[in-house]
Amino acid sequence: RKEVEQDPGPFNVPEGATVAFNCTYSNSASQSFFWYRQDCRKEPKLLMSVYSSGNEDGRFTAQLNRASQYISLLIRDSKLSDSATYLCVVNIRGGGADGLTFGKGTHLIIQP
Amino acid sequence: ETGVTQTPRHLVMGMTNKKSLKCEQHLGHNAMYWYKQSAKKPLELMFVYNFKEQTENNSVPSRFSPECPNSSHLFLHLHTLQPEDSALYLCASSRTGLAGDNEQFFGPGTRLTVL
Repeated sequence: RKEVEQDPGPFNVPEGATVAFNCTYSNSASQSFFWYRQDCRKEPKLLMSVYSSGNEDGRFTAQLNRASQYISLLIRDSKLSDSATYLCVVNIRGGGADGLTFGKGTHLIIQP
Repeated sequence: ETGVTQTPRHLVMGMTNKKSLKCEQHLGHNAMYWYKQSAKKPLELMFVYNFKEQTENNSVPSRFSPECPNSSHLFLHLHTLQPEDSALYLCASSRTGLAGDNEQFFGPGTRLTVL
């Protein structure tokens, strides 16, 4: 099983729709979870951290399911500007940055 | 736009060349990182420096040699690379390398092509 696994997509979604994607991780001892966003030919940028109780930031909601070892990202009322690759990041060795492991990313295309 | 800059942005080199990538962060951070991003592969963490001390080397071949002279600058020295080393090399920094304090701020990357 890969350490961090994502559906690469692409997800083609009409503007205004709600889209969700998951990411699974292999190490049950993982402590830190993040979603990063990477635009084409740009560097990744932190979208949001994922907390045990779940968290919301505007149209974006992140959830963590420790029992099933996955995190999810929900985007409501999608905008054209949401088109990007969404990277799931898990710290597989605990908290320190030396254990950060990135998924391959899920490619999202919002269509007008 | 970002507080992390990288030079050069593009580099083409032969397998016998020696070159260096430079990264500078203006954020007052204490941890810096090198990542490799290849097509259709996930971002791979190569090296971690925390307060100028190298804390991680993820089995990176010795043809890649990092250097961190101070907490604001990070170099990646390259020699006798292989064509499969062609990739986007991203530098990142974080306030520290500790849990809860290691949000990664990435530079724009250096697109490296090895002929």
